[in-house]
Amino acid sequence: NAGVTQTPKFQVLKTGQSMTLQCAQDMNHNSMYWYRQDPGMGLRLIYYSASEGTTDKGEVPNGYNVSRLNKREFSLRLESAAPSQTSVYFCASSDFSGVGSYEQYFGPGTRLTVT
Amino acid sequence: GDSVTQMEGPVTLSEEAFLTINCTYTATGYPSLFWYVQYPGEGLQLLLKATKADDKGSNKGFEATYRKETTSFHLEKGSVQVSDSAVYFCALSDRDDKIIFGKGTRLHILP
Repeated sequence: NAGVTQTPKFQVLKTGQSMTLQCAQDMNHNSMYWYRQDPGMGLRLIYYSASEGTTDKGEVPNGYNVSRLNKREFSLRLESAAPSQTSVYFCASSDFSGVGSYEQYFGPGTRLTVT
Repeated sequence: GDSVTQMEGPVTLSEEAFLTINCTYTATGYPSLFWYVQYPGEGLQLLLKATKADDKGSNKGFEATYRKETTSFHLEKGSVQVSDSAVYFCALSDRDDKIIFGKGTRLHILP
């Protein structure tokens, strides 16, 4: 049981380049999320998916697109990377815990630098 | 809207000291409350949670009590270790499957 996995772990891009961050979970969770983490800003939600085939914008969606490929996989795409997108990106998944709350499980993160 | 406010860090303590990290929240409903921990170079892990007023969550020697009257969920540990050095996030979930996180508090424990 690997939990939530993310690839790649590290990436350096030049301004204007594109890339896709991959995320997969093996816990059969319905909900999946993409966050970015910046110093002093905590975690900010980029996009989330409540179920296969649905996606919704979070707090900071500009410059990103997502695809919920199937129940397991949720990818994040940067079409034209900008230095402001230098950050650590986390994928998470969750499902109702049965005791009145959702608990999120996080992947190890992708450290992205845009030069 | 809903929000979480936690004390700013970094917090530096000596090993075996008592730890408190303050957290207060604003929510329109009756949220579930969480503490997550992030060790260096890793993702966040759920440390403990409480789903209703007066519940106490506990794990690995850490405790937090859901106080509805003061809208607080302070994290405490009686005797910290060097291995507790990490970033701690207070968070809430209110009515749906999204979690709102505080900005995190970095904790340094000196041997």
